[in-house]
Amino acid sequence: DSGVTQTPKHLITATGQRVTLRCSPRSGDLSVYWYQQSLDQGLQFLIQYYNGEERAKGNILERFSAQQFPDLHSELNLSSLELGDSALYFCASSPVTAADTQYFGPGTRLTVL
Amino acid sequence: GESVGLHLPTLSVQEGDNSIINCAYSNSASDYFIWYKQESGKGPQFIIDIRSNMDKRQGQRVTVLLNKTVKHLSLQIAATQPGDSAVYFCAERIAGGSNYKLTFGKGTLLTVNP
Repeated sequence: DSGVTQTPKHLITATGQRVTLRCSPRSGDLSVYWYQQSLDQGLQFLIQYYNGEERAKGNILERFSAQQFPDLHSELNLSSLELGDSALYFCASSPVTAADTQYFGPGTRLTVL
Repeated sequence: GESVGLHLPTLSVQEGDNSIINCAYSNSASDYFIWYKQESGKGPQFIIDIRSNMDKRQGQRVTVLLNKTVKHLSLQIAATQPGDSAVYFCAERIAGGSNYKLTFGKGTLLTVNP
């Protein structure tokens, strides 16, 4: 158990819908990262937040957005969902003193029908 | 495209043997590398890391080797056990600033036969 929690574990929805994935980092970690894992693209970095502010952006679609709240939990919002958005979405967090090491949560499996 | 890749997508070994998983990277500016293990239905689990100023680092039953000359990274697992069966990813970070974005390879599936 990494200490990073994600909800929900599974999510099934229809095309065109909007969903919100939630992540709680390890206690004391200020950085939160979001990744998408699909069979054809592997593990892709989406976005990073540090203490509430966006720090880095990866291959994140404009239909996707994220935020980190004052209590340091983060949410990833996916809108106008397409079949190709079906994937595993992972959140990771890193400690202040060892910002390189990222600890991953168990993931949310999103299925778009 | 991806700057991190793997030589072998699958590796099958006998229990008790040593396993070697390889990874090639193309960005000479990368200064930090991590190996992750991902079991079915779970998130990636940190195994071991190494910085670019090192050639070798050892953990419990695992060793990571870094060859910067040929941009090659390997993970050695000693006395492989069935519980080691998983997908192994290497990841690299490009030096610079406070951006800790990691780029992951495609992964190698390790199967340990009893």
